[in-house]
Amino acid sequence: DTEVTQTPKHLVMGMTNKKSLKCEQHMGHRAMYWYKQKAKKPPELMFVYSYEKLSINESVPSRFSPECPNSSLLNLHLHALQPEDSALYLCASSEADRSYEQYFGPGTRLTVT
Amino acid sequence: AQKVTQAQTEISVVEKEDVTLDCVYETRDTTYYLFWYKQPPSGELVFLIRRNSFDEQNEISGRYSWNFQKSTSSFNFTITASQVVDSAVYFCALSEAETSYDKVIFGPGTSLSVIP
Repeated sequence: DTEVTQTPKHLVMGMTNKKSLKCEQHMGHRAMYWYKQKAKKPPELMFVYSYEKLSINESVPSRFSPECPNSSLLNLHLHALQPEDSALYLCASSEADRSYEQYFGPGTRLTVT
Repeated sequence: AQKVTQAQTEISVVEKEDVTLDCVYETRDTTYYLFWYKQPPSGELVFLIRRNSFDEQNEISGRYSWNFQKSTSSFNFTITASQVVDSAVYFCALSEAETSYDKVIFGPGTSLSVIP
C-alpha cells in the first residue's frame, strides 16, 4: 500500500474558524511532511516530523499548528487564517534518516473567506 | 539564489515527439540527492526518480530517461514518444546535508502540454 490519504479534499473556512486537516499513511514511514502550494508554484515545505517529533518548522505562522499523534497520522490545525493562506495543502511521507523519495497525498484545497 | 533552476516554464509538443526537461542545481555539498516529481492536473505529486550524487549513471525507465552530469550540475529528463497522459507539471528537486536531508528544495517546475 503506497497511499497517503488526506481529508477533507476541499475546505472553505472563515477567518475566525478553527479546522483541522488530516493525513494518514500505512507504509511504515517515520517521516511526514506538510507542504503548502499556491497556483503555478512549487510546493513549499512547512513542517517535518521525524519519528513523531517535529524536526523542521520553516518559520510558519502560529495560526498553523501541526500535530503527529502517532507514526501513521499527521494533523494540521488551522486557526484565524487569512485569505492569503488559501492554497493546496499537501501531506507526504517517506522513510526517515536519509533523503528518500516522498509519497504525496492528493491534497486539501483550502479556501479562506 | 535559487538552488534548483528549471529554465523552461512551459513546453508544448505534439504527441509522439521527444521532449527534454532541463534541470540545473546548485550545491556546495558533496553528498546530495536529486529527484523528479510529476504533478498531473489532478494535483497529486508522483515520484519519478531519486539519484544520489555519487551515482552518475544515466537511467532509463520505459519512455523516461534521465541524464545526470555533475560537471554541469544538471539532471535532465527526457520523455521519448510523448503521450497526452504525460501532460503535467514536472518538478526537479534537491536535498543536501547543508540544509537537512529532510528538506527537499523544489525547482519552479516545467509545465508540459502534449497535444494530440
